[in-house]
Amino acid sequence: AQSVTQLGSHVSVSEGALVLLRCNYSSSVPPYLFWYVQYPNQGLQLLLKYTTGATLVKGINGFEAEFKKSETSFHLTKPSAHMSDAAEYFCAVSAPNQAGTALIFGKGTTLSVSS
Amino acid sequence: GAVVSQHPSRVICKSGTSVKIECRSLDFQATTMFWYRQFPKKSLMLMATSNEGSKATYEQGVEKDKFLINHASLTLSTLTVTSAHPEDSSFYICSARDSGGRKDEQFFGPGTRLTVL
Repeated sequence: AQSVTQLGSHVSVSEGALVLLRCNYSSSVPPYLFWYVQYPNQGLQLLLKYTTGATLVKGINGFEAEFKKSETSFHLTKPSAHMSDAAEYFCAVSAPNQAGTALIFGKGTTLSVSS
Repeated sequence: GAVVSQHPSRVICKSGTSVKIECRSLDFQATTMFWYRQFPKKSLMLMATSNEGSKATYEQGVEKDKFLINHASLTLSTLTVTSAHPEDSSFYICSARDSGGRKDEQFFGPGTRLTVL
């Protein structure tokens, strides 16, 4: 069975500071990994994903994440936080090459950005 | 492209009534759709996998008779909350896979906020 652990339910940073949101996964095979962002009362927006190939993945809004198999991690980073980055962030995993497989989500991390 | 809509976006109903939520893939066909439930400040919990033309697959602990899912066409899945009670109040989100697209892609609807009084 697959699972996702997001360390830290709430992360606070100052505007312009580094953003680091942690995600570790458990899977018997290398999974597909995703980061989504959710603004209040809205659906999910895909930030980035890892399937195969390059382990450093760049996404939208300046975010990136690195897949580290040895650490079973897929941490999300952004060099300089912006006020508009304040939102809920979810890490998710799915089994590769299985079209009918749903995503398994972590519990989410709330990112707060102060001026 | 790859837009998923949900209707209604928000619904308030009385306890004991049934509520139907629609999930539509607007510009692609989806043989598989997923229904998630999200409690306030909580993660998304998979409720069921909806398969076009066949019965939905429910996750453990989800009542099939309470949360009726119908996936009658390649672009529409519906979730009906029967005899709703206040504890059913939640944010319901659907997602869909493009049948002709990449297997790793899943597109989410904007969600439906259900409040049961």
